[in-house]
Parts: sequence; C-alpha cells; structure tokens
Amino acid sequence: EVQLLESGGGLVQPGGSLRLSCAASGFTFSRYAMSWVRQAPGKGLEWVSTISGDDDTPYYADSVKGRFTISRDHSQKTLSLQMHSLRGEDTAVYFCARMGSGSYRADQWGQGTQVTVSS
Amino acid sequence: SYVLTQPPSESVAPGKAATIACGGDNIGRKSVHWYQQKPGRAPILVVYDDTVRPSGIPERFSGFNSGNTASLTISRVEAGDEADYYCQVWDGRSEHVVFGGGTKLTVL
Repeated sequence: EVQLLESGGGLVQPGGSLRLSCAASGFTFSRYAMSWVRQAPGKGLEWVSTISGDDDTPYYADSVKGRFTISRDHSQKTLSLQMHSLRGEDTAVYFCARMGSGSYRADQWGQGTQVTVSS
Repeated sequence: SYVLTQPPSESVAPGKAATIACGGDNIGRKSVHWYQQKPGRAPILVVYDDTVRPSGIPERFSGFNSGNTASLTISRVEAGDEADYYCQVWDGRSEHVVFGGGTKLTVL
C-alpha cells in the first residue's frame, strides 16, 4: 500500500524558515517524480514544486522560486521542502504527492501538513 | 504562464449527469487530469490522461478533451459525489504543473 506521510508543519513568523518532510513507502521511490501542492484556507489547489524521478531536476512555481528548495533522499525514501523567507500568503496545508509516470499526474497524496505564517 | 479556467460552481439533481468544463489554450494538445476533493480530505485522482480512470474509480466518471476545452462528466450523480473538482495539466513550455481554480459540485 502506498503511503505518504508529511511532517514538519507548524507556526512560523514572517521571514522565518521551515522544513517539511514526506516519508514515502509502498512503492519504488526513486522511479517517481514527487511534488508539493498547497491549499490556502478556503482556496484551491496550488502547485508548489516538483522533483523529477530520473535525475532529480527541480521545478518551482514562480511564487516560491528562490525561497523554497525541493530535495529527496533516495536511501531514506524521503521528500523534503526547505522554505525560507516565509510570508503570510504561504499559509496553507501542504500536500506531498507522487507523480504518476508519463504525464505528471498526482496519483497518490499524503494527508497534508499545516503551515501557518503569522506574528 | 498557462491558465486553466473552471466554473466556480455547478449543481445537479441526483441521478442526472454533471459536466465540469476546464478551458485552456489548445488544451486538447495536453494530457488533462481530474481530481476530486471532499472537505478536510486530500484530493484523489479520478481521471487521468484525458479519459483514463484509475483503479477503484466508478465507471460513472469519464473525461473528454478537445480543442480549447476538457471536461469531466459524472453520470447518475449520487450525493457522495458532492465535492470540489480540479483539472490539471503539465505545461512543458514553462515546466510548471498547472491546476484549474476548481469547481464546487452541489448535488441538489
């Protein structure tokens, strides 16, 4: 059974940093691209970042480029998102998602972790 | 950047069919994926690559994509289908994953 378990969310002040993690199990982690998708309160889904499955190439939404860094540890089967210079508009539930092969569809999702940026 | 446009809401009576549109420039040339999200839950994939249903998704869910519009049709709608639905593509030009704004489906 595929499982994605996010952790690391919490309350952080504007300008602060936070590191999210996603522990993956039940599939061959290195074969899949992985993504972070967020959802602000009462809003729709917003793509944040994807890391490719073959060569770990990162892709970022314009809203987070230069502030967030996606990475993965193949030996630990863990996906990470390092977030710096956090803003109020980064407040959201952050979901980890497995991207199915070929067309970058999110075929498995974690339950999400809440990030709140507030003073 | 590439934009996907969805109506904010749709409503349908139980037992009828609901169609949710997703507009984008030449979207017919892209692979479109659809997600269902219920309140407080993670999204689930209900259709991918325009027309393919993942294992466990009822046959009542179907997709179509042509020209500038993709669509998700839910036939014989049930109360349990009430949810937010999102379309999504990969835009190779910008190397971005793109989501539509979402459509809230209400079952009357």
